[in-house]
Amino acid sequence: TQLLEQSPQFLSIQEGENLTVYCNSSSVFSSLQWYRQEPGEGPVLLVTVVTGGEVKKLKRLTFQFGDARKDSSLHITAAQPGDTGLYLCAGPYSSASKIIFGSGTRLSIRP
Amino acid sequence: DTAVSQTPKYLVTQMGNDKSIKCEQNLGHDTMYWYKQDSKKFLKIMFSYNNKELIINETVPNRFSPKSPDKAHLNLHINSLELGDSAVYFCASSPNRGGTDTQYFGPGTRLTVL
Repeated sequence: TQLLEQSPQFLSIQEGENLTVYCNSSSVFSSLQWYRQEPGEGPVLLVTVVTGGEVKKLKRLTFQFGDARKDSSLHITAAQPGDTGLYLCAGPYSSASKIIFGSGTRLSIRP
Repeated sequence: DTAVSQTPKYLVTQMGNDKSIKCEQNLGHDTMYWYKQDSKKFLKIMFSYNNKELIINETVPNRFSPKSPDKAHLNLHINSLELGDSAVYFCASSPNRGGTDTQYFGPGTRLTVL
């Protein structure tokens, strides 16, 4: 059982389309992070959301933290092939000294 | 300059062998980690060290032994390799020991056990 469930698991769309991926939990998190991992590389942090209801924008990417701090979403506008990768949400867990990762969404943008 | 580096990038070996993976970070961070990413891309923490002190030791077979000679280096030694150990192993570092810190990942070591 994953503490952080991401959906969809896979998503393949055409360049220029919009998409949303989700990160859900039954537990409350003090913050959530989103990472992107490209093939053959390690994950790279995109954003950290810390306040319930918070919305952060990074160019065409919009991140939202749920009001109850149990979920987060990532919306991409006008997707481009460069957005292709594995998107991982992550949050502090247990003693808060460690971070746990979600199950991931593999995104593929077709030219 | 590479912030978090790992060697080797690829490691192919036979079952039963012993192998090591090395990691170095030049970010001046206090905390370093080893993660395992399986074939389904699930990323799971294995160990964490803060200033050379082991602070996280997940349920990992004792064939895996991390060593931190100083806070810039964290190595992973694996004894008696098994088929199920095949995965990509990532080293990471963060400024402090908190789970809210940004994790800076290395490029990964793809281990294949035959």
